[in-house]
Amino acid sequence: GAVVSQHPSRVICKSGTSVKIECRSLDFQATTMFWYRQFPKKSLMLMATSNEGSKATYEQGVEKDKFLINHASLTLSTLTVTSAHPEDSSFYICSAQRGYEQYFGPGTRLTVT
Amino acid sequence: AQKVTQAQTEISVVEKEDVTLDCVYETRDTTYYLFWYKQPPSGELVFLIRRNSFDEQNEISGRYSWNFQKSTSSFNFTITASQVVDSAVYFCALRGVGNEKLTFGTGTRLTIIP
Repeated sequence: GAVVSQHPSRVICKSGTSVKIECRSLDFQATTMFWYRQFPKKSLMLMATSNEGSKATYEQGVEKDKFLINHASLTLSTLTVTSAHPEDSSFYICSAQRGYEQYFGPGTRLTVT
Repeated sequence: AQKVTQAQTEISVVEKEDVTLDCVYETRDTTYYLFWYKQPPSGELVFLIRRNSFDEQNEISGRYSWNFQKSTSSFNFTITASQVVDSAVYFCALRGVGNEKLTFGTGTRLTIIP
């Protein structure tokens, strides 16, 4: 149990467009989900905490208008990168909280051209 | 503030050798959790272990073992008889009770040479 999926696994988009990444907990309900960003050969940087039914809590330095997070249900959180630019290219990972554990999705590699 | 330090950026060992990955943490919490995750080239984080701060017993799981020393704020990870499939980036992480956020170390890239 405790499977988290992300879709898409890879996406290439043009500069100026928006892209949505989905994070789903497949076999459990998660009131809290997290979004991380990972640059090549770097650690995971927490972007925001997503709580079902309320606004996301963003970490310092993360633009909430640029990275829109919606936790619409107990099994789905979405991250929308708006007006993407090449510097937004990165590996985005979500996780879903269950008990003491965070279960991680497989990640989404975003490339903005 | 919480902090996790993994001083070893990259380690390479020949297959079948033992290797220890270091993790040192800082926290003001009296109760906290420590984690190790493996990130293979595919990118997906794989949970390896969670340790409660009140439990200083060392743990062994197959070829993996963990040494938790509260006195030195360390939570080291040893792989014995390493295999090529162990090649990955390993992250140590910390979370306080009542705080859901995980603080990750910078990771150690382990390469097992066949």
